[in-house]
Formats: sequence, C-alpha cells, structure tokens
Amino acid sequence: QSVLTQPPSVSGAPGQRVTISCAGSSSNIGAGYDVHWYQQLPGTAPKLLIYANTIRPSGVPARFSGSKSGPSASLAITGLQAEDEAAYYCQSYDSSLSGNVVFGGGTKLTVL
Amino acid sequence: EVQLVESGGGLVQVGGSLRLSCAASGFTFRSYSFNWVRQAPGKGLEWISYISGTSSPIYYADSVKGRFTISRDNDKNSLYLQMNSLRDEDTAVYYCARQWLALDYWGQGILVTVSS
Repeated sequence: QSVLTQPPSVSGAPGQRVTISCAGSSSNIGAGYDVHWYQQLPGTAPKLLIYANTIRPSGVPARFSGSKSGPSASLAITGLQAEDEAAYYCQSYDSSLSGNVVFGGGTKLTVL
Repeated sequence: EVQLVESGGGLVQVGGSLRLSCAASGFTFRSYSFNWVRQAPGKGLEWISYISGTSSPIYYADSVKGRFTISRDNDKNSLYLQMNSLRDEDTAVYYCARQWLALDYWGQGILVTVSS
C-alpha cells in the first residue's frame, strides 16, 4: 500500500484532457512538502515531468501541468497524444518516515 | 550532459550478495545527494535508500534496513549499493537517481534477479 494514493488507470481520446490525482495526508503533502511527477514510458526509466508542484523542466511540453491543494495534488495533460501513453507517478516527502521519500502507486494512462 | 549508468546487476541466489554501482558524469558529483529506487516486475516505484553529498545522513527503507548499504566515492564520481541477504522480493530493476529538489536525473536501471 503506497503512502500516496493514485488511481490505477485513466484513459482519454487524442486531443482530450485528463487529470491524475495524488492524495496524501497531513504528514506529507498536507504538511507542505512539494509534489513531483514522473513519466515512465514502457521499458524505460522514469523521467521528471513536474517538480515543486507546478514547474516544468526544460523540454517538457506545456500540455503538462501540475497543481497542489491541501493534502492532494494533480497532474493535468491537455491535448492528449498517443506518445503520452505511459505510467505516471507522484512523489513527495513524509515526516513520519526515515528518509522521507514517498511515491504514489502509479497511474497507467491509456490513449484510446 | 548528465549521465548515470548502473552496473553490477544479475542473477543471484536467495541469501546471496550483490554490489551495484552507478557511474556519474556531466556534473559536479559531490554537490548532489542520491537515491536508490527499485521497481519489481509489473509494480510501482519503491524508494530504498538516500545518501547526502557528504555521506551523512544516510537513510534506508524498512524493507532493506540492515541488509543493504549505500555508499559513495566522490573522487570516483560513483554511487554504490551493497546488497546482502538477498530475498525473492528483492527481485527488481534498480535505479540510481540524483536529487535536487526532485529526483531530476535517473540511470537506465539494472535488473537484479534473486532466485531460490
């Protein structure tokens, strides 16, 4: 059971908008820790997609955006494209755990 | 260009040991903290260990505490993970990941298979 809760799967047609939620608690996201998002294409290593809740690293398309509110965060993808089909993970930190780093269970995005 | 390249994986028997390495290039290695993250077949990401730029502090997930040891050699730009008393459930792809706010760069991953 992951400390951060994500839906196992989401889907959308090309061009549509999808959101992926990441629910935490008062010891992690709700405590004010930043949320980061990673994209993992099939058979590859995770890649940083969004950091510090809302910031896109250089090279990440503006179609990807992040938000945070209270103990939860969300990743939104607009103008869905076939190459967006991947697993997405949220990550934060937890004050109750040694080492702090916690991941969500991951969400598989299927582009219909 | 930032590069992280893991090595040292492979097939090992239950109870055996393995040492993973992560060779870094393209940045000032000693200035960054690092993490080891693993992914069991078909599963999600699991954080297992952290080391700061000066090797203190060091943290471990409960699942590996007492069996795995993280270390680094700043002169060799290398990160290590010594894995002892390996179990079936340690079978996974192991990633080294640089930490700057987020885990901003990841290696390609190395497969460790523990077989009985």
